[in-house]
Amino acid sequence: DAGVIQSPRHEVTEMGQEVTLRCKPISGHNSLFWYRQTMMRGLELLIYFNNNVPIDDSGMPEDRFSAKMPNASFSTLKIQPSEPRDSAVYFCASSFGGRAFGELFFGEGSRLTVL
Amino acid sequence: SQKIEQNSEALNIQEGKTATLTCNYTNYSPAYLQWYRQDPGRGPVFLLLIRENEKEKRKERLKVTFDTTLKQSLFHITASQPADSATYLCALDEVSGTYKYIFGTGTRLKVLA
Repeated sequence: DAGVIQSPRHEVTEMGQEVTLRCKPISGHNSLFWYRQTMMRGLELLIYFNNNVPIDDSGMPEDRFSAKMPNASFSTLKIQPSEPRDSAVYFCASSFGGRAFGELFFGEGSRLTVL
Repeated sequence: SQKIEQNSEALNIQEGKTATLTCNYTNYSPAYLQWYRQDPGRGPVFLLLIRENEKEKRKERLKVTFDTTLKQSLFHITASQPADSATYLCALDEVSGTYKYIFGTGTRLKVLA
């Protein structure tokens, strides 16, 4: 299996621009998670989906952030407009079987720099 | 407030020794706790999951304990090797009816040859 695939791996943009991060989960997994990692705050859960439905988006920082999962094999995280404080590594992870089986499979991350 | 604490200081140990990493939490009642390994520039990789009714779990050179009274998990690597050098993250689920794993900030381990 190819694992969780994220794109782009690196993105440098200017403040105010729209950023779209993409994720392809592992085939057959029914849960998808978006995390953000910074030195100061560690790995923070932004939102997660179960069977393509957003279950908990309480970690989404503000209205500038939005996430979609139009089908089981694709999800996007969008930031519009972007700000320098959004600079971080964004990880997508997928899982199967619910919390009791737990294991999250992470992608390699998208490193975002907002100038 | 809810908090997961891992030693933010890097842990340096000599090759062959046992490394012990700590994960303490407050104001959570997790049913499950996981440990992950993260190498620089990579995503976290799952190592072990332990349930609240399990005191200990082993996998090869790894051992995890889970003490719900102390609100603490210990992660041990026996016979450590330089290849074990990485950041180790603990994660626990919020017992809120939703599948939501919250991560600690991680402890960086360096095994010296």
